[in-house]
Amino acid sequence: AQSVAQPEDQVNVAEGNPLTMKCTYSVSGNPYLFWYVQYPNRGLQFLLKYITGDNLVKGSYGFEAEFNKSQTSFHLKKPSALVSDSALYFCAVRDLIGSGNTGKLIFGQGTTLQVKP
Amino acid sequence: DSGVTQTPKHLITATGQRVTLRCSPRSGDLSVYWYQQSLDQGLQFLIQYYNGEERAKGNILERFSAQQFPDLHSELNLSSLELGDSALYFCASSGVRGNTGELFFGEGSRLTVL
Repeated sequence: AQSVAQPEDQVNVAEGNPLTMKCTYSVSGNPYLFWYVQYPNRGLQFLLKYITGDNLVKGSYGFEAEFNKSQTSFHLKKPSALVSDSALYFCAVRDLIGSGNTGKLIFGQGTTLQVKP
Repeated sequence: DSGVTQTPKHLITATGQRVTLRCSPRSGDLSVYWYQQSLDQGLQFLIQYYNGEERAKGNILERFSAQQFPDLHSELNLSSLELGDSALYFCASSGVRGNTGELFFGEGSRLTVL
């Protein structure tokens, strides 16, 4: 079965410092990987995805993620954190069922990012 | 704004009651997904519909049911509610437009069962 793991419940960084949030995956076949962000009392917002191509994927709000097939990882990174980045972040993998591209997303447990001034 | 609309935003009800949550997908999206987010269970997939037909089923209780109508909006019905059903319920949509694979989420319906 497809799954993702986010080993860190919380990541704390100081504003202006780089940040990394970890994600590892387990899939059969090629992975379709995603990162989402959830601000308090809001829905999930799409940040970026890896489907194929370059291992370094750039997304919204200055975030990027690095796909590493040998380590089955898809870590989310940002060179310089902002206080406004504080939120809950989810890694997800598409569960490819049936035909077409309408498979559900399977989410990790989420990592809370706390950026301190 | 994702383009996915969910109503109501908040709902407070009592145990044993029944509620209906409504979702309007992005224009043109054929797939609708329902997820439940609770503190101890994280984001759990409940059910998916594609163009009116049930496509995939997850950890959905027998007390819960859903459907997608011809205009593509979807409803999630929760009955015989229990305290443990209190959660944030999200609807998401995707479609063949762009065929890019990501889901677009609504703002959620927060259900509180007292």
